[in-house]
Amino acid sequence: EVQLVESGGGLVKPGGSLRLSCAVSGLTFRTYNMHWVRQTPGKGLEWISSISSSSEYTFYADSVKGRFTISRDNAKKSLYLQMNSLRAGDTAVYYCAREGVGGSGFDYWGQGTLVTVSS
Amino acid sequence: DIQMTQSPSTLSASVGDRVTITCRASQSISSWLAWYQQKPGKAPKLLIFDASILESGVPSRFSGSGSQTEFTLTISSLQPDDFATYYCQQYNSYSPWTFGQGTKVEI
Repeated sequence: EVQLVESGGGLVKPGGSLRLSCAVSGLTFRTYNMHWVRQTPGKGLEWISSISSSSEYTFYADSVKGRFTISRDNAKKSLYLQMNSLRAGDTAVYYCAREGVGGSGFDYWGQGTLVTVSS
Repeated sequence: DIQMTQSPSTLSASVGDRVTITCRASQSISSWLAWYQQKPGKAPKLLIFDASILESGVPSRFSGSGSQTEFTLTISSLQPDDFATYYCQQYNSYSPWTFGQGTKVEI
């Protein structure tokens, strides 16, 4: 069974930090680019970060650049997102997603983990 | 950044209707476009990639067309399970990937 399971979400104060994890099972991980996408309550989807299969390339949306860091451990089939200097506007459900072959969209998604930034 | 604009934002339809959703890109993206379906409380599900290729397991009533800056998602005969929100996504530029704002298909 294919599973992408995010964890690490929760309530954090503005300026605080969180580390999200995404554990992958049931599908190939090490040869695929991976992404984090977030969705604010009742709103649309926002891509925020991606990492290439061997971690040689990372990309970030302007909204999180300099505050968030994406990483992966292919041996553990896990993806991570270190989030620092969190703001109220970062409150969202965070999804990890696998990029399909040849960049053909995101073919597998986790169930999401909620991050709430509030004092 | 490439902006993606979907229309309409909300669409009211009935079971059996033919439904068309449009997605426009602010610049040419060739055929590097995907469509997703999302139901409340669930992750998005990939329906179509490369503008017109149906993802494995997706019913054939879904189809996609278009290229460059204008794209459409068509549901040939709307089924009860199809009431959801649909998003387009471009992946032409290596960074950043961008989504449309979504189209909610409601009864």
